Amino acid sequence: AQKITQTQPGMFVQEKEAVTLDCTYDTSDQSYGLFWYKQPSSGEMIFLIYQGSYDEQNATEGRYSLNFQKARKSANLVISASQLGDSAMYFCAMRTPDYYNTDKLIFGTGTRLQVFP
Amino acid sequence: DVKVTQSSRYLVKRTGEKVFLECVQDMDHENMFWYRQDPGLGLRLIYFSYDVKMKEKGDIPEGYSVSREKKERFSLILESASTNQTSMYLCASSPLSGGSTEAFFGQGTRLTVV
Repeated sequence: AQKITQTQPGMFVQEKEAVTLDCTYDTSDQSYGLFWYKQPSSGEMIFLIYQGSYDEQNATEGRYSLNFQKARKSANLVISASQLGDSAMYFCAMRTPDYYNTDKLIFGTGTRLQVFP
Repeated sequence: DVKVTQSSRYLVKRTGEKVFLECVQDMDHENMFWYRQDPGLGLRLIYFSYDVKMKEKGDIPEGYSVSREKKERFSLILESASTNQTSMYLCASSPLSGGSTEAFFGQGTRLTVV
């Protein structure tokens, strides 16, 4: 069964420090995509970063990078130089092809990150 | 500016009522999704649709149905609302073969069933 697991319900990090949010996934598909979203207290879902299963390089977007370890089925999000505005819920998600060749998108349970001064 | 719009931000309904949650996207996306979000449970997929009149069950379809009569609109229906359906509901859309294109989300509807 396809599944996303985020084992850290909450994380604390001091401003300007780096933090890693864990994500492991389970799928038997060879082709899939992994996403990270941020959800501030206002509730909107903000896309952060994407990694394709065939991408050999780890994805990076500004202060966000994705530590992709395919053999371990992990896709951890690394936020460098944390800012107070990074305090939010973070969700890992996986897109896999469905029977009808559509793209089913499933999410993990999320990690609440709190950045303190 | 691309948009997914949900008809209500907050909704209060009585037990047993029939409830419609509407979602409209302006990006000509084939895929549309309905999720519910609960603390500690993340986003759980209720239903998704890949084309007009086509629908697929997600992980928690019980107690819900959907309708997609037009490409841009995807409705979630609670046939007889119950208190355990009190939750945040999120609609999303994405292209058919999304690749690296992310799904776009609406602002969410916080439904309270009393």
